Amino acid sequence: KAGVTQTPRYLIKTRGQQVTLSCSPISGHRSVSWYQQTPGQGLQFLFEYFSETQRNKGNFPGRFSGRQFSNSRSEMNVSTLELGDSALYLCASSRVLGGGTDTQYFGPGTRLTVL
Amino acid sequence: AQKVTQAQTEISVVEKEDVTLDCVYETRDTTYYLFWYKQPPSGELVFLIRRNSFDEQNEISGRYSWNFQKSTSSFNFTITASQVVDSAVYFCALSRPSGGYQKVTFGTGTKLQVIP
Repeated sequence: KAGVTQTPRYLIKTRGQQVTLSCSPISGHRSVSWYQQTPGQGLQFLFEYFSETQRNKGNFPGRFSGRQFSNSRSEMNVSTLELGDSALYLCASSRVLGGGTDTQYFGPGTRLTVL
Repeated sequence: AQKVTQAQTEISVVEKEDVTLDCVYETRDTTYYLFWYKQPPSGELVFLIRRNSFDEQNEISGRYSWNFQKSTSSFNFTITASQVVDSAVYFCALSRPSGGYQKVTFGTGTKLQVIP
């Protein structure tokens, strides 16, 4: 069974630009969560999608948004990039909402560098 | 609020030594789940184990073992006879119901270096 895939693996952008990251969950998984990982803040929850609806959101500004498609694939968008947005963005999928009743499986991440 | 504390930032051991990674959690909920993940240099978090709050039975899987003690709110992870391939950052995580949804909190991670 294929794991969670994320594209692209690496991105370099400049301040002010916007970026879209993509995540394809494990087949049959309907919940997709996004996390930001930085050396200073660790792993921080961004948001979670289930059945094309955002069900849960972390404490991030509105520049961070996402969506989920009918095939459960998800995209995350960051607008007006700031230097502090440089991070590893991880996507996780699970069979049910939230990962608490089922395990979250992570993708390899997208490493975003903002110059 | 829930919190996961991994007090050990970095640990170095010589190959074949045993090593224990500590995890202490805080939650007011009676129903919750605890996880351990491994993050090798490639970046992907690899799921290792899940334990629910009603199951305090310790578990052993090969060289890995987990000790869950509700009385001390701890969920420690031991690697026996460590190997170089065990070098990674290990995260402990807590998941609990929150307003009808699950909320996952990760610890700050423990970087394990196994020296050959």
